[in-house]
Amino acid sequence: GAVVSQHPSWVICKSGTSVKIECRSLDFQATTMFWYRQFPKQSLMLMATSNEGSKATYEQGVEKDKFLINHASLTLSTLTVTSAHPEDSSFYICSARDPSGRGMNTEAFFGQGTRLTVV
Amino acid sequence: AQKVTQAQTEISVVEKEDVTLDCVYETRDTTYYLFWYKQPPSGELVFLIRRNSFDEQNEISGRYSWNFQKSTSSFNFTITASQVVDSAVYFCALSGSSFGNEKLTFGTGTRLTIIP
Repeated sequence: GAVVSQHPSWVICKSGTSVKIECRSLDFQATTMFWYRQFPKQSLMLMATSNEGSKATYEQGVEKDKFLINHASLTLSTLTVTSAHPEDSSFYICSARDPSGRGMNTEAFFGQGTRLTVV
Repeated sequence: AQKVTQAQTEISVVEKEDVTLDCVYETRDTTYYLFWYKQPPSGELVFLIRRNSFDEQNEISGRYSWNFQKSTSSFNFTITASQVVDSAVYFCALSGSSFGNEKLTFGTGTRLTIIP
């Protein structure tokens, strides 16, 4: 089946630094990718929709300048947490759909997730 | 607005028992999709099933079965003869069907613990 790869799987960084998380669709082209955030023992909350070749669409309450999203190619979207603070510590997970020949709304393939700890 | 409710926060059952995870949803869309995902301790999301709102047939896959009741806006998930490996957090999710409305709205999850 289709695979979405996310890197790194975990990262520890110092407050004030920036961290980049990559999400790649390995065997299909994804014009749209989604970024979710999950706090411990809580549900996944959509942060933004990443659109290839255009600006990302952010959900209400998500700071665009803090969570920079770039979707420069059909197989890669990146999320950069800028000037990270301890409250940004969380589990970040991306997903993508493979639209080729399967119609809309096939299952969303998820990356492995990235556990970010800001110290 | 879309909403998914998983009222059961945590469930514990003894191995080999059957267990049902409840999911109730709200949507104004006439066509939509429902999903179940499993999240083991490692964190990744494992896709279990996708159901089109037009298809109310129940589905069985091995020990897993799903009961979609459009009249009550429910999409419940049953594991029969549970095993320790079934221990995980299970999420029910909902998305629209139109282009641009593909984002998933997740329920709060049910933490299932299978006791050996």
